[in-house]
Amino acid sequence: GENVEQHPSTLSVQEGDSAVIKCTYSDSASNYFPWYKQELGKRPQLIIDIRSNVGEKKDQRIAVTLNKTAKHFSLHITETQPEDSAVYFCAASKSNYQLIWGAGTKLIIKP
Amino acid sequence: SQTIHQWPATLVQPVGSPLSLECTVEGTSNPNLYWYRQAAGRGLQLLFYSVGIGQISSEVPQNLSASRPQDRQFILSSKKLLLSDSGFYLCACPGDHGYTFGSGTRLTVV
Repeated sequence: GENVEQHPSTLSVQEGDSAVIKCTYSDSASNYFPWYKQELGKRPQLIIDIRSNVGEKKDQRIAVTLNKTAKHFSLHITETQPEDSAVYFCAASKSNYQLIWGAGTKLIIKP
Repeated sequence: SQTIHQWPATLVQPVGSPLSLECTVEGTSNPNLYWYRQAAGRGLQLLFYSVGIGQISSEVPQNLSASRPQDRQFILSSKKLLLSDSGFYLCACPGDHGYTFGSGTRLTVV
């Protein structure tokens, strides 16, 4: 079955710098890759997603890139701000049903 | 778009006591539904999923059970809680863009 690995487990960046979180997946049939942000004590919320027919998607300071050949996808956050501090989860699925989750990355934005 | 109602928000229960957490969904019919648990500082562990009324699949052996008595109702239960059952329980439903999560129940077993 599908396996998703996420790195790093913790990422600390200076406010204003960029942050990159990477995920790899094992099932080449996976075609949907969302990213979720979970603030402390809150539910995970979708921040951006990408489907396998595109290589990159951007939404303001957030972008996701997908490399189907290498089976990896990445979340890029530019001009980081204190409110970006949270745990970020990647996931993959072959349909829009059962997502297979990465273990999460705790992003710390240093003032 | 769908909305998930989950309650209670917090719960403190003694070891050995029973548990019942409820999740209801609005805005969709015949949804797939999921129960996740998140230990403190950890990732999302899938506990159960259901594709329809009375259909439950268990992902992890444990002392928890789930039921789906109605199309939009998903219940997580236990007859006797363990300390290790403490965590943040989330109900989820897939939509056009990923999953929608309920607001979660923080369970502390003491």
